[in-house]
Amino acid sequence: EADIYQTPRYLVIGTGKKITLECSQTMGHDKMYWYQQDPGMELHLIHYSYGVNSTEKGDLSSESTVSRIRTEHFPLTLESARPSHTSQYLCASSEIGATGELFFGEGSRLTVL
Amino acid sequence: KNQVEQSPQSLIILEGKNCTLQCNYTVSPFSNLRWYKQDTGRGPVSLTIMTFSENTKSNGRYTATLDADTKQSSLHITASQLSDSASYICVVSGGDYKLSFGAGTTVTVRA
Repeated sequence: EADIYQTPRYLVIGTGKKITLECSQTMGHDKMYWYQQDPGMELHLIHYSYGVNSTEKGDLSSESTVSRIRTEHFPLTLESARPSHTSQYLCASSEIGATGELFFGEGSRLTVL
Repeated sequence: KNQVEQSPQSLIILEGKNCTLQCNYTVSPFSNLRWYKQDTGRGPVSLTIMTFSENTKSNGRYTATLDADTKQSSLHITASQLSDSASYICVVSGGDYKLSFGAGTTVTVRA
């Protein structure tokens, strides 16, 4: 069982609100990721981090921002949510290396009205 | 165009029957290929990893195959159970460790 946790699991908010999705892992992994998942579509990488104070944008352009102040914590923030941000957000972590197994959290489903 | 294509998009099978899922990729160079299982409302969990030199690998009732020459992989589920109902995602790692995801195959097992 992977030790990576996301909160909230479900969130319904109005347009213009600021939200933060939390992600924590207890495995000591250096690499952490945020993916966006829509029904019937492949996962899209929106942010990743190689370690503390490292953050990079992924393949899919996103208006969200991330921070990595501690190894175990990788929160994602939307300053002003819009209906187009409605999606499932998956956090993951992995060890740095070739085999690269991803350990995923259970996801945060965001609905913006 | 996605570099990892999965088929079928979805399938329904009766409990106890077998099924095979396909994954074709164009990622090059190739490092490894993983199959993940994603239950509804949960995050994906790795089932198997295939490297260039491996042809077949089993994990219980799940058997993955890899043909690196034709860039094809399959996941075979034997004697399906209701708990096998899930989405199965093929993920290919390239030479730079960049990951390419398939859109997944949704399997529904009916009693």
